[in-house]
Amino acid sequence: RKEVEQDPGPFNVPEGATVAFNCTYSNSASQSFFWYRQDCRKEPKLLMSVYSSGNEDGRFTAQLNRASQYISLLIRDSKLSDSATYLCAVNIRASYDKVIFGPGTSLSVIP
Amino acid sequence: NAGVTQTPKFRVLKTGQSMTLLCAQDMNHEYMYWYRQDPGMGLRLIHYSVGEGTTAKGEVPDGYNVSRLKKQNFLLGLESAAPSQTSVYFCASSYAPGVARDTQYFGPGTRLTVL
Repeated sequence: RKEVEQDPGPFNVPEGATVAFNCTYSNSASQSFFWYRQDCRKEPKLLMSVYSSGNEDGRFTAQLNRASQYISLLIRDSKLSDSATYLCAVNIRASYDKVIFGPGTSLSVIP
Repeated sequence: NAGVTQTPKFRVLKTGQSMTLLCAQDMNHEYMYWYRQDPGMGLRLIHYSVGEGTTAKGEVPDGYNVSRLKKQNFLLGLESAAPSQTSVYFCASSYAPGVARDTQYFGPGTRLTVL
């Protein structure tokens, strides 16, 4: 089993839709969690960290469920500019801050 | 403040050739990383460094070597390139005092093709 797994996608949604991505992790000692966004042929960039209590940043909401070992990202009122690949990342804090990335889920927002 | 930069942006090599990829960061970060990204595989860690003069192996280190002689630079070397090393290579850095330890900042990537 991979350490971090994500919905395979791709997700094709109309503008204005709400879309949710899920990510599961296998290491119960994982310490911190993130969502990164990667545009086509660009580098990943941090979208948001995921806190235990859940957190929101505008149209984006991230949730963490430690018991079930998954994190989620909800995007409301999707915009064309949200089209990208979304990577979840988990820090298992081994001998260093070991961050494991999921394979990513592709989102296309259609006019 | 340029963040993380990588050179070159593109490169085509023949099997058996060697090359060095350069990563530089101006954020005074302690940690630096080299990843490769292949379709369907996500980002895989090649080597990393937790400080100047230190390096360690990541998930897929075979065929690569690294050096961190200066805090701001992290070099990735391919000793004898193979077609299996065709990939996009990303450098990242993280952790400065007072900044979240594990938020990684990525360079723009190097697209390498080995023929």
